[in-house]
Amino acid sequence: SYELTQPPSVSVSPGQTASITCSGDKLGNKYAYWYQLKSGQSPVLVIHQDSKRPSGIPERFSGSNSGNTATLTISGTQAMDEADYYCQAWESSTSVVFGGGTKLTVL
Amino acid sequence: QVQLVQSGAEVKKPGASVKVSCKASGYTFTSYDINWVRQAIGQGLEWMGWMNPNSGNTDNAQNFQGRVTMTIDTSINTAYMEVSSLTSEDTAVYYCARGVAHSDNGGYIYYFDYWGQGTLVTVSS
Repeated sequence: SYELTQPPSVSVSPGQTASITCSGDKLGNKYAYWYQLKSGQSPVLVIHQDSKRPSGIPERFSGSNSGNTATLTISGTQAMDEADYYCQAWESSTSVVFGGGTKLTVL
Repeated sequence: QVQLVQSGAEVKKPGASVKVSCKASGYTFTSYDINWVRQAIGQGLEWMGWMNPNSGNTDNAQNFQGRVTMTIDTSINTAYMEVSSLTSEDTAVYYCARGVAHSDNGGYIYYFDYWGQGTLVTVSS
């Protein structure tokens, strides 16, 4: 089965750039998606089709995908960005796959 | 505006079943899949399966095949997800999510653009 691997945690200082990676076999040949999940809330789509931001998502969120790794980048990270982030892909044999999630701490 | 409103929290005993509903509004219900995703306490997101309201086709993740039943009532724009033979490991928040599906030159596209508010299912004796 297809697997996506994320680092369990990433820390960043306010105003700095946070990068969260998502690794999978030939992930660059698929589209990657990213969701933000804050405690007590529902997931929010922040990036679709590797690098597209849905309406209402701040410009500081960006994404890329190449080779075996997709990356979510948050520029000028704010305290409100502290959350868990999940990558997701579609794989023909297993349908939807989520990464294990990354806890972003802003300190 | 698009909304997915789920049924309320449930407490069930081991071995029982639970049925969660998800009522959609603000869009053409039959134009998008409804997916179910859960998050156990302290765990990550886990995709359970999808159902197409137009065709009635479904697909469940391997972990849930034989134990999860998805149905839809298009007359009231509502999707249902039933999990049987509950154990304590099924204690989780269950979400419904609208699936966006299409293709372009880059390949097949499938993601979730709107989510329900979540339903906490607690399995305890």
